[in-house]
Amino acid sequence: GENVEQHPSTLSVQEGDSAVIKCTYSDSASNYFPWYKQELGKRPQLIIDIRSNVGEKKDQRIAVTLNKTAKHFSLHITETQPEDSAVYFCAARRMDSSYKLIFGSGTRLLVRP
Amino acid sequence: GAGVSQSPSNKVTEKGKDVELRCDPISGHTALYWYRQSLGQGLEFLIYFQGNSAPDKSGLPSDRFSAERTGGSVSTLTIQRTQQEDSAVYLCASSLRGLAGGDTGELFFGEGSRLTVL
Repeated sequence: GENVEQHPSTLSVQEGDSAVIKCTYSDSASNYFPWYKQELGKRPQLIIDIRSNVGEKKDQRIAVTLNKTAKHFSLHITETQPEDSAVYFCAARRMDSSYKLIFGSGTRLLVRP
Repeated sequence: GAGVSQSPSNKVTEKGKDVELRCDPISGHTALYWYRQSLGQGLEFLIYFQGNSAPDKSGLPSDRFSAERTGGSVSTLTIQRTQQEDSAVYLCASSLRGLAGGDTGELFFGEGSRLTVL
């Protein structure tokens, strides 16, 4: 089955700096890679996803890149703001509804004002 | 309902007792997941229901854990003979369908059920 590893487990950046979170996956047939954000005491929510037919996707200050050959994908947050402080989870699965979504272990991001 | 509803929101029980956690997914969502989140930890997969297919139970940590989904809607996660290590937040999530037909596959999470085993 799929296994997703995520690094780093914690990340502290100064407001305005960039933050990068990296994930690797094991199932070479996985082709859907979402990222979820969980603020303190709240439920996880989808912030961006990428499918294997593209290598990069951007949405304002966040972007995700995918390297299928190396089986890794990354989340990039530019111009970080205090409200970006949260736990971020990457995930992977095949685009077949019979396959489940497996999450990485999470990265706690702290943006220092 | 407007979102995924879970109950109870908090449950305190004594070691050895059985507990039932309920999840009411978004209407029309055929996929339903249970995840467990221990304090400060990640989202540990427990079980996945998709339509009328047999559920994927590969994440259940022991035979004390079971789940069912009646009528393709409401799901109940049952933990028998609870242990202290079962203490965690149990999150339910649903999604519209698989990723075919343009469906985004986005998971919508409930608020979770916080279980404390004394």
